[in-house]
Amino acid sequence: SAVISQKPSRDICQRGTSLTIQCQVDSQVTMMFWYRQQPGQSLTLIATANQGSEATYESGFVIDKFPISRPNLTFSTLTVSNMSPEDSSIYLCSVVKDRVDGYTFGSGTRLTVV
Amino acid sequence: KNEVEQSPQNLTAQEGEFITINCSYSVGISALHWLQQHPGGGIVSLFMLSSGKKKHGRLIATINIQEKHSSLHITASHPRDSAVYICAVSAPRHGGSQGNLIFGKGTKLSVKP
Repeated sequence: SAVISQKPSRDICQRGTSLTIQCQVDSQVTMMFWYRQQPGQSLTLIATANQGSEATYESGFVIDKFPISRPNLTFSTLTVSNMSPEDSSIYLCSVVKDRVDGYTFGSGTRLTVV
Repeated sequence: KNEVEQSPQNLTAQEGEFITINCSYSVGISALHWLQQHPGGGIVSLFMLSSGKKKHGRLIATINIQEKHSSLHITASHPRDSAVYICAVSAPRHGGSQGNLIFGKGTKLSVKP
């Protein structure tokens, strides 16, 4: 199965700033996703990262707040913009290599906004 | 009502005990996943199944498609099994992007030595 390197693993950020999270996969994958897990809650899909085009966002998430890039089949970034304390969450990337392989998740980025 | 319900929410066990975590879902699925989340936040995929039963070491996952129910069993539990166990389903017709997973809220397992 695919191996994901997600960075940073954690960060403490000031209100109003932005943080970019990177997701690097060791092989080409068909699908890449970004999830958010707020404290005490289940995971919620933010968007599907599309290679070479704009990401597909879920209801409640917008590109201005969570811009996503996916320049190739092995790499994606998620930026959390103009952060507020409500953005404090774990952010995870996930990939699907093929139907047999299923989902692989990154190690997560624990973000605290102060 | 959530599409994916897990029980119990919290579970404390003594080392060596047999553990069962349950998952019920209400939508049509193509697959069900059991995931393990450690305190740092990272998630490991334990099983993906669409029918029957799978076994990996001390972990066993079963699914009953007709009853829309799955169970995760841990035999001879150990403190290192302490984690949050999450049930998720692939529900292509539910809406959202292709490949979207619907997650349960997780079961927090603590195994005492």
